[in-house]
Amino acid sequence: SQQGEEDPQALSIQEGENATMNCSYKTSINNLQWYRQNSGRGLVHLILIRSNEREKHSGRLRVTLDTSKKSSSLLITASRAADTASYFCAGREEYGNKLVFGAGTILRVKS
Amino acid sequence: GAGVSQTPSNKVTEKGKYVELRCDPISGHTALYWYRQSLGQGPEFLIYFQGTGAADDSGLPNDRFFAVRPEGSVSTLKIQRTERGDSAVYLCASGEILAGSNEQFFGPGTRLTVL
Repeated sequence: SQQGEEDPQALSIQEGENATMNCSYKTSINNLQWYRQNSGRGLVHLILIRSNEREKHSGRLRVTLDTSKKSSSLLITASRAADTASYFCAGREEYGNKLVFGAGTILRVKS
Repeated sequence: GAGVSQTPSNKVTEKGKYVELRCDPISGHTALYWYRQSLGQGPEFLIYFQGTGAADDSGLPNDRFFAVRPEGSVSTLKIQRTERGDSAVYLCASGEILAGSNEQFFGPGTRLTVL
């Protein structure tokens, strides 16, 4: 069963606005990763944050990690219609190599 | 320099039949993963190979599911006596095992439909 939970389940915003998605997990992790998926196929890796990091930036993406609350957030600034996709967080378990994914957030950016 | 490829892209079969799904990882990646994704959910881990051996098969739902990677490159996921509940997108990923990392590169998936 999946360990992560994400909210919101769906998010609809206007182009140019910021989008924030949250993720919570249950077990200890080595790192947490965010992926994007278009049309139910092909996940694309966006960003990875290690368990000893609190914040990370990559272009228009900003990820935070709070290990005490077992939660992470992904912020996409100045959203574009092309950002429309499903976004998943995935934790790499502390002792192992598999990723445990959340249920995902469906983001729709309206132009 | 191609990414992870999976064949077929779509597979429709009848209940009770046997299917094989193939994954070609990125050249040189030692780790290979299989996940299953049902509609509206995130991927669920099935099995992970390090080289030729299955390092973790804890996600395989039952003994109808089996996967091999005989030469440490291409992998085949085999499903016997398929059931309607097996319908899902089967995703393969490959990567390197690095301390603190474990970025995985995903293929486009095989959509399996069991009628």
